[in-house]
Amino acid sequence: EPEVTQTPSHQVTQMGQEVILRCVPISNHLYFYWYRQILGQKVEFLVSFYNNEISEKSEIFDDQFSVERPDGSNFTLKIRSTKLEDSAMYFCASTVRRGTNEQYFGPGTRLTVT
Amino acid sequence: LAKTTQPISMDSYEGQEVNITCSHNNIATNDYITWYQQFPSQGPRFIIQGYKTKVTNEVASLFIPADRKSSTLSLPRVSLSDTAVYYCLVGEDGGATNKLIFGTGTLLAVQP
Repeated sequence: EPEVTQTPSHQVTQMGQEVILRCVPISNHLYFYWYRQILGQKVEFLVSFYNNEISEKSEIFDDQFSVERPDGSNFTLKIRSTKLEDSAMYFCASTVRRGTNEQYFGPGTRLTVT
Repeated sequence: LAKTTQPISMDSYEGQEVNITCSHNNIATNDYITWYQQFPSQGPRFIIQGYKTKVTNEVASLFIPADRKSSTLSLPRVSLSDTAVYYCLVGEDGGATNKLIFGTGTLLAVQP
C-alpha cells in the first residue's frame, strides 16, 4: 500500500537555525498539506498546496514558514529561524482529490528546538 | 465549522465492542462526519466517513441518526492494538477548503 514518507524522523536544532522538513507524498496525489502537533495538544493545520502554490494557510504559517515542491516527488516545509515554540511533530499529508476529508498522513518529523 | 464534542477518554477490555459518540449539534447540510485514529508518535489515520444512516468498512462502523446531530463510531472486538486517540471531524467533503480541523479526541485505552 502506498505511503507518505517523511525525513528525518527526528531533527534537533538550535534556536535561530533554519530547518527543512521533507516529505514524499503518495505518487498520484495532487494536494499536499502540513500539520503540526505540539506535545499533548491538538493536530493543527498549517498549509495546503496545489499546483505549485499555496491554497490555504493558517495563522500559524507566518513569514518564517515556507513550502516548496522542488521536484516531482518531494514536498518540503522550511522554517527560516526556529523558535523554541516550533518544537512539535510535523506531519505531511496528501490526497488525490480536492477538499476530501480522507487525507493520508506521514509518520511525522519530531522537531526539537533547543 | 461545526464544533464537535467527544469524551476525553474511554476504557475497554480486549474482545469488547467499543462505541465512541460524538456530538455535533451545529452540523451543516453539506457536512460529512469523518473519524481518524492516531497512535502515539504517529500521524492520524483515516478510519471511516459518512453522511447519514450507517456506514461499515473492514475496520469500523459509523452510525448517524436522522437528525445528524451526533454520530457513533463502533469498533467491534477491540484488541490492545486499538489503544489510540480517536478524532471525530465534521466538514464538507470535496468543498473549497482543504484543511482538517482536529479536536482533542477520545483516548481509548484497551486493557487485557
